[in-house]
Amino acid sequence: DVKVTQSSRYLVKRTGEKVFLECVQDMDHENMFWYRQDPGLGLRLIYFSYDVKMKEKGDIPEGYSVSREKKERFSLILESASTNQTSMYLCASSTGGPPEAFFGQGTRLTVV
Amino acid sequence: GQQVMQIPQYQHVQEGEDFTTYCNSSTTLSNIQWYKQRPGGHPVFLIQLVKSGEVKKQKRLTFQFGEAKKNSSLHITATQTTDVGTYFCAGRKSNTGKLIFGQGTTLQVKP
Repeated sequence: DVKVTQSSRYLVKRTGEKVFLECVQDMDHENMFWYRQDPGLGLRLIYFSYDVKMKEKGDIPEGYSVSREKKERFSLILESASTNQTSMYLCASSTGGPPEAFFGQGTRLTVV
Repeated sequence: GQQVMQIPQYQHVQEGEDFTTYCNSSTTLSNIQWYKQRPGGHPVFLIQLVKSGEVKKQKRLTFQFGEAKKNSSLHITATQTTDVGTYFCAGRKSNTGKLIFGQGTTLQVKP
């Protein structure tokens, strides 16, 4: 079974802190995604990576950066956390073959 | 950027009634996928549609992809309480692996 693991289920951070959200997948998938999920807004794409060190901005990249130094790991970085970044963050991975994206369990981040 | 719009946002039905959610893209899609997210869970893949006008069925679920490959629908016949959750469509353009999700439709089923 494909496994996508996010480092934390719940996280509380202070405004202005630098925050790292980690995601690891074990199926050698080329594509990895970071989404945030907010009520009424669905899943909004923050960043997408299609290969090691390759990335594309999604719809809402402002305030975020990403790192993909190894194929299995995709990190989301909040350079200076703000209260409007309080949200559920979902990581996903997929491959060029079978179409489905596999999701991690999500990280609920609260910025106070 | 590419937008994928989904309606309605919420739907409450009596058990046994039918349910439909609609998905529309501002641009032509290479394919469209549907996911289900149970309360407290993460999205789980249901199906992918690729061809113009394609119709696929999974038991009581019927998925359609429009002729212009810009819209799609999911229809559930005779809903059950196990159908409760949020249904998302997700579109992909032909030259990218980027997957853009709609806002989702949350289905509540009253027993």
